[in-house]
Amino acid sequence: DSGVTQTPKHLITATGQRVTLRCSPRSGDLSVYWYQQSLDQGLQFLIQYYNGEERAKGNILERFSAQQFPDLHSELNLSSLELGDSALYFCASSGDSQETQYFGPGTRLLVL
Amino acid sequence: GENVEQHPSTLSVQEGDSAVIKCTYSDSASNYFPWYKQELGKGPQLIIDIRSNVGEKKDQRIAVTLNKTAKHFSLHITETQPEDSAVYFCAPRRAGSARQLTFGSGTQLTVLP
Repeated sequence: DSGVTQTPKHLITATGQRVTLRCSPRSGDLSVYWYQQSLDQGLQFLIQYYNGEERAKGNILERFSAQQFPDLHSELNLSSLELGDSALYFCASSGDSQETQYFGPGTRLLVL
Repeated sequence: GENVEQHPSTLSVQEGDSAVIKCTYSDSASNYFPWYKQELGKGPQLIIDIRSNVGEKKDQRIAVTLNKTAKHFSLHITETQPEDSAVYFCAPRRAGSARQLTFGSGTQLTVLP
């Protein structure tokens, strides 16, 4: 158990809809990262937050947005969903050194 | 951003044999070199890491070696066991940097009993 929690575990929705994925980092970790992992693909970095502020941005679509709240939990919002958005979405957290990242169990999103 | 190449993409070994996975990177300023293991249905988990002031690090059956001049580092697993079967990712980076994080494409290791 990494100490990072993600909800929900599974999500099934339809094209055009909007969903919110939630992540709670390890106790004391200020950085939260979001990754997308499509079938047979590697981990694609989406976005990083540090203590409530956006720190780095990767290949995140404009339809996607994220935020980190004062209690350090983070949410990833996916809107106008398309079939191709079906994937595993992982959250990770790290401490001040931002070296080691601890991953949550992921949210499996299926867009029908 | 960092260009990361990981080889091989798939690797099958007999139980008890050794496995080696190589990761090549482009950013000469990278100074932190971790390997992650992802089991089916789970998130990646850090299994070993090395920093640029060290050439090799061992933890029981796994080891990581670093060649900074050639800009590559490798994961070595000895006496492989079926539970080593998983996907392994490298993720070289500058520690503390806010630059985009790049993982290797992954290596599917299968240990045959």
